[in-house]
Amino acid sequence: QQPVQSPQAVILREGEDAVINCSSSKALYSVHWYRQKHGEAPVFLMILLKGGEQKGHDKISASFNEKKQQSSLYLTASQLSYSGTYFCGTGGATNKLIFGTGTLLAVQP
Amino acid sequence: SAVISQKPSRDICQRGTSLTIQCQVDSQVTMMFWYRQQPGQSLTLIATANQGSEATYESGFVIDKFPISRPNLTFSTLTVSNLSPEDSSIYLCSAGQGARETQYFGPGTRLLVL
Repeated sequence: QQPVQSPQAVILREGEDAVINCSSSKALYSVHWYRQKHGEAPVFLMILLKGGEQKGHDKISASFNEKKQQSSLYLTASQLSYSGTYFCGTGGATNKLIFGTGTLLAVQP
Repeated sequence: SAVISQKPSRDICQRGTSLTIQCQVDSQVTMMFWYRQQPGQSLTLIATANQGSEATYESGFVIDKFPISRPNLTFSTLTVSNLSPEDSSIYLCSAGQGARETQYFGPGTRLLVL
């Protein structure tokens, strides 16, 4: 089942903060976050692994609640370049990722 | 990191024909995957391309419609057969070393079926 992301869309002014949530109905071993700009491939942002390990972007943080099967991506002091659609990809016992419903983020000057 | 290229970048095909998409990775990778993305939608996994064996397909996708090859650790192809307008979409290849490692995406192939 596809993970559900919230909100579906958010509009920010430069410098504002945002939180994007990802919720799965299945047990998770990893959560991957990507940003996709229109007409481009998804770009890797961060991985959160079961057990607490994180790998990724310096200016973006995230959390992973294994028990609740949820993850949140925190975007602070947003910049125009943060605009795009954010996807979480959830990894279970297999090596494949199932991507969430997506969150459209627009940062305005 | 891995750099992934796809060919063709876009194509317009007639109904009933087939299109083969190539995916090349600049380094050896354990896992390669094929996704489909409709405009404005999320990514839907079609199959996992397994080196030296048959691909593993997700529910709703079958080998006769989406045959996949993976002859080595850096290359894979996806064929979309017997095309219909419903197959118009973006097809993305990705590669990585597993769900606990970064998965990189190719630039995608934009397919329009008339």
